[in-house]
Amino acid sequence: EPEVTQTPSHQVTQMGQEVILRCVPISNHLYFYWYRQILGQKVEFLVSFYNNEISEKSEIFDDQFSVERPDGSNFTLKIRSTKLEDSAMYFCASSEYSGANVLTFGAGSRLTVL
Amino acid sequence: DQQVKQNSPSLSVQEGRISILNCDYTNSMFDYFLWYKKYPAEGPTFLISISSIKDKNEDGRFTVFLNKSAKHLSLHIVPSQPGDSAVYFCAALVSSNTGKLIFGQGTTLQVKP
Repeated sequence: EPEVTQTPSHQVTQMGQEVILRCVPISNHLYFYWYRQILGQKVEFLVSFYNNEISEKSEIFDDQFSVERPDGSNFTLKIRSTKLEDSAMYFCASSEYSGANVLTFGAGSRLTVL
Repeated sequence: DQQVKQNSPSLSVQEGRISILNCDYTNSMFDYFLWYKKYPAEGPTFLISISSIKDKNEDGRFTVFLNKSAKHLSLHIVPSQPGDSAVYFCAALVSSNTGKLIFGQGTTLQVKP
C-alpha cells in the first residue's frame, strides 16, 4: 500500500536553529499538508499546498515557517528560527484531491527544541 | 479552537463488546467527517468517513452515525478486538477547496482481552 514517508523521525535542535523536515507524499497525490501535534494536545492544521502554492495556512504558520516542493517528489517544511514551543510531532499528509477525500498521513517527525 | 470536540479522553471495553466513541461539532456548515485511528509512533490512519447527506456509513466492524440536528457523530466498533486499542480522532472537513481538516482531541480506546 502506498505510504507517505517522513524524515527524520526525530530531530533535536537548539533554539534559534533552522530545521527542515522532509516528506515524500504518495506519487499520484496532488494536495500536500503539514499538521502538528504538541504533546497532549490536538492535531492542528498548519498548511495546505497545491500546484506549487500555499492554498491555506493557519495562524500558527507565521513567517518563521515555509514549505517547498523542490523537486517534484519531496515536500519540505522549514522552520527558520526554532522556538521552544515549536517542539511537537509534525505530520505530513497528502491526498488525491481536496474535497470529500482521505488524507494519508506519514508517521511523523518529532522535533525537540532545547 | 473547539469546533470539534471529543469529550471522553478514554474508553475501556472488553473484547467482543461494542465500543462507542463520540464526537460533537459546532459548525453546521461542516458536511464531511472522518475518523482516524492512531497507534503510538505512527501517523493517523484513516478508518471511515461520512458525508452529511447520509446518517450512517458502515465498513465491516466499523459504523459511523451522524446526527446533523444534534451536531453529533459516533463511531461504533463491533465486536471490539484488542488490536483496536489506539487513539481515535474524529475530524471535520473545513474547506473542500483546500482539504483542511479540524481534529478533535482524541479518545484513547483500550480493549481488554
